[in-house]
Amino acid sequence: DAGITQSPRHKVTETGTPVTLRCHQTENHRYMYWYRQDPGHGLRLIHYSYGVKDTDKGEVSDGYSVSRSKTEDFLLTLESATSSQTSVYFCAISLWDSQTQYFGPGTRLLVL
Amino acid sequence: QQQVKQSPQSLIVQKGGISIINCAYENTAFDYFPWYQQFPGKGPALLIAIRPDVSEKKEGRFTISFNKSAKQFSLHIMDSQPGDSATYFCAASIASARQLTFGSGTQLTVLP
Repeated sequence: DAGITQSPRHKVTETGTPVTLRCHQTENHRYMYWYRQDPGHGLRLIHYSYGVKDTDKGEVSDGYSVSRSKTEDFLLTLESATSSQTSVYFCAISLWDSQTQYFGPGTRLLVL
Repeated sequence: QQQVKQSPQSLIVQKGGISIINCAYENTAFDYFPWYQQFPGKGPALLIAIRPDVSEKKEGRFTISFNKSAKQFSLHIMDSQPGDSATYFCAASIASARQLTFGSGTQLTVLP
């Protein structure tokens, strides 16, 4: 998994509660990404980061925020979780000189 | 607007047969086309990738065929094995944007 860990790996929460997912990498990669995976949609980009405190929105960013205060950590926050945010969330990194992305093991989130 | 269309949604092949998965894209600015393999409960893993300056790339039993004029590319798995049973995603990106756009995925089952 290219030195990527995600936590938690599984989470069940209730509608309206805040949720934060963490992506941690050990190899100082500059670029980090958050995707969600849903049946029939493949993987869709939520937010990405190109350095500490440098982030931008992806295709499906509504309802999500991110933060990157350290190179190794990229946090995804659902301010007020909704059932439509039930999904599997993947973090990815890419090398500074490559378009290739490497994915973490994923976090399965269920919003009741 | 889905920019990468993948077919078929599911595919069943006999052991030893050839598996073929097709993708079509719309954005002619795409310049990198990877394929990812995903096993249940795992993150997607890069399988093989191609750039539009070549029409074919082969790595072991896996081959990408690329048709720039038709804006299509496909994955061929020769001598398919039960261990190849997984979900396969095509993707595309633009170097300057460093964002991957994924197809919707193909669930491949190789029967023993």
